[in-house]
Amino acid sequence: EPEVTQTPSHQVTQMGQEVILRCVPISNHLYFYWYRQILGQKVEFLVSFYNNEISEKSEIFDDQFSVERPDGSNFTLKIRSTKLEDSAMYFCASSYDYSNQPQHFGDGTRLSIL
Amino acid sequence: GNSVTQMEGPVTLSEEAFLTINCTYTATGYPSLFWYVQYPGEGLQLLLKATKADDKGSNKGFEATYRKETTSFHLEKGSVQVSDSAVYFCALNYTGANSKLTFGKGITLSVRP
Repeated sequence: EPEVTQTPSHQVTQMGQEVILRCVPISNHLYFYWYRQILGQKVEFLVSFYNNEISEKSEIFDDQFSVERPDGSNFTLKIRSTKLEDSAMYFCASSYDYSNQPQHFGDGTRLSIL
Repeated sequence: GNSVTQMEGPVTLSEEAFLTINCTYTATGYPSLFWYVQYPGEGLQLLLKATKADDKGSNKGFEATYRKETTSFHLEKGSVQVSDSAVYFCALNYTGANSKLTFGKGITLSVRP
C-alpha cells in the first residue's frame, strides 16, 4: 500500500537555526498538509496546500514557517529561525481530494530544539 | 470553533475485555468524524470514519456510530487484543477544499495478556 514518507525521523537543531522537514506524499494525491503535536498535547493543524499554493493556515503558521513543493514528489516545511517552543512531532499528510477521501499520514519527524 | 473532546486516559485493559473510548465534538453543521490510531513508533493511521448522522464506521473489530443528537462518536470493541495497544485519536473535518482535521487529545490504550 502506498505510504507517506517523512525524513528525517528525528532532527536536533540549535535555537535560531533554520530547519527543513521533508515529506514525500502518495504519488497521485493532490492535497497536502502539515500538522504538529507538542508532547502531551493535541495534534494541531498547521497548513494545507493545493495546486502549488497554501489553501489554509492556522495561527501557528506565522512568518517563520513556509511550505514548498519544489518538484513533483517532495513537500517541505521550513522553519526559518527555530524557537524552543517549536519542539514537537511534525506530521505530513496527503489526500486524493477534499471530499470523503481520508488523509494519509507519515510516521512523523521529531524536532528537538536545543 | 470546532473542537473534539476525548475521555482522559490512559486506559489499561486485560485481553478480551470490552473497550469503550468516549469522544464528543462541538461543530456547526455536519462534519465527518474519524478515529485514527497510532501504534508505537508509527504514524497516524485511519481506523474508521463516518460521514453522516447514524452512520456506523467499522474496521478490525472496532465500531463507532455518528450520533448527531449527542454529538458523540464513541469507539467500541467487543474483545481487545494485546496488538490493539496504541494511541487513539478522534477527529473531525468538513468536506471542502480546506478540509483540515481537528483532533482530540488522544488516549493511550494498553492491553495486558
